[in-house]
Amino acid sequence: ETGVTQTPRHLVMGMTNKKSLKCEQHLGHNAMYWYKQSAKKPLELMFVYNFKEQTENNSVPSRFSPECPNSSHLFLHLHTLQPEDSALYLCASSQWGRGTEAFFGQGTRLTVV
Amino acid sequence: AQTVTQSQPEMSVQEAETVTLSCTYDTSESNYYLFWYKQPPSRQMILVIRQEAYKQQNATENRFSVNFQKAAKSFSLKISDSQLGDTAMYFCAFMKQSNYQLIWGAGTKLIIKP
Repeated sequence: ETGVTQTPRHLVMGMTNKKSLKCEQHLGHNAMYWYKQSAKKPLELMFVYNFKEQTENNSVPSRFSPECPNSSHLFLHLHTLQPEDSALYLCASSQWGRGTEAFFGQGTRLTVV
Repeated sequence: AQTVTQSQPEMSVQEAETVTLSCTYDTSESNYYLFWYKQPPSRQMILVIRQEAYKQQNATENRFSVNFQKAAKSFSLKISDSQLGDTAMYFCAFMKQSNYQLIWGAGTKLIIKP
């Protein structure tokens, strides 16, 4: 596989459930990102990992918990979500510090019921 | 704070026509990067074109070109000879050199009609 792969593609979960989103990149990049995409709004950066260290947490509620075990894998652990958390969650990777583009996965469409 | 504005929520043109998508941004930085990304119905965000702010020459990639006006803080995308496969959401994004984070516009939905 090449590029950035996200699983699952779709997820429906209840507000009391616990689930995880997975992202894997095969590009040799050293930075990975989680974004939230809601309709008609700009992408919202949630978390940034640079060389496996979290460098940004843009005031994301604690019900979202990221994990980056190595530079190729990124997880987003979800628990006790709210219906307003329903959105498309995009993972991206890039080579930090060069102003080069980020490469994105196809996203996980999350619905909280 | 940096902001990116795309003033056209939706545009529609006939196949083979030329279309221009607008983007303006606000920053006090002097060194930065600008991007146009395309998101088709498959949802995968794909880079269309990239511009470095210190370069005066406008970037081009085949049918895609930009009009970068640094003083006006404008970065429009021109698509020539539009094709049905160009139908997608188009996002303008700004990256400042100090932290390499992308700041996004809200997007323009482009529909190419046969």
